Amino acid sequence: GAVVSQHPSRVICKSGTSVKIECRSLDFQATTMFWYRQFPKQSLMLMATSNEGSKATYEQGVEKDKFLINHASLTLSTLTVTSAHPEDSSFYICSAPEGGQSAGNTIYFGEGSWLTVV
Amino acid sequence: GQNIDQPTEMTATEGAIVQINCTYQTSGFNGLFWYQQHAGEAPTFLSYNVLDGLEEKGRFSSFLSRSKGYSYLLLKELQMKDSASYLCVLINDYKLSFGAGTTVTVRA
Repeated sequence: GAVVSQHPSRVICKSGTSVKIECRSLDFQATTMFWYRQFPKQSLMLMATSNEGSKATYEQGVEKDKFLINHASLTLSTLTVTSAHPEDSSFYICSAPEGGQSAGNTIYFGEGSWLTVV
Repeated sequence: GQNIDQPTEMTATEGAIVQINCTYQTSGFNGLFWYQQHAGEAPTFLSYNVLDGLEEKGRFSSFLSRSKGYSYLLLKELQMKDSASYLCVLINDYKLSFGAGTTVTVRA
């Protein structure tokens, strides 16, 4: 079946530095990918929609200059957390619908990335 | 917007059956997913309902009634590894809306 791979699975960085998280669709093309954040014991919260070849669409309250998204190809989207602070520590998850944005397609999740900012 | 309700916690015995209900109110609806999420891991796809009725996949079944804004996930022959959070997720166009999740604890 379709697989979405996310890397790194865990990362620790110093406050003020930037961290890049990659999301790859391994056996299908993903014109759209989604980035979520999940704090402990809370539901997934959509941060932004990544579109191949165009700018990402950010949800209200998400700083686009802080969470840079680049959808470089049909199989790769990256999320860069810039000038990270301890409050950015969270579980970040990407997902991609197989077959594009059609509502009838299954959406697969990456494995998630644990970010700890110290 | 969407309003999705599911119970916070459920406990059941190994080998038993548990039904997780999900009710929703939404301005748009294209389908409903159920995902399983173990602590510290990403969600795993379980089922997808678009039409009314029951979808069965092995030990897991999911039911949908669009007119009632209601779905359930049925877990049969519970195993210890089924202890996890189960997410009711709506899709409207291409956007997902997540329920808060139901934590299922399976006891021996």
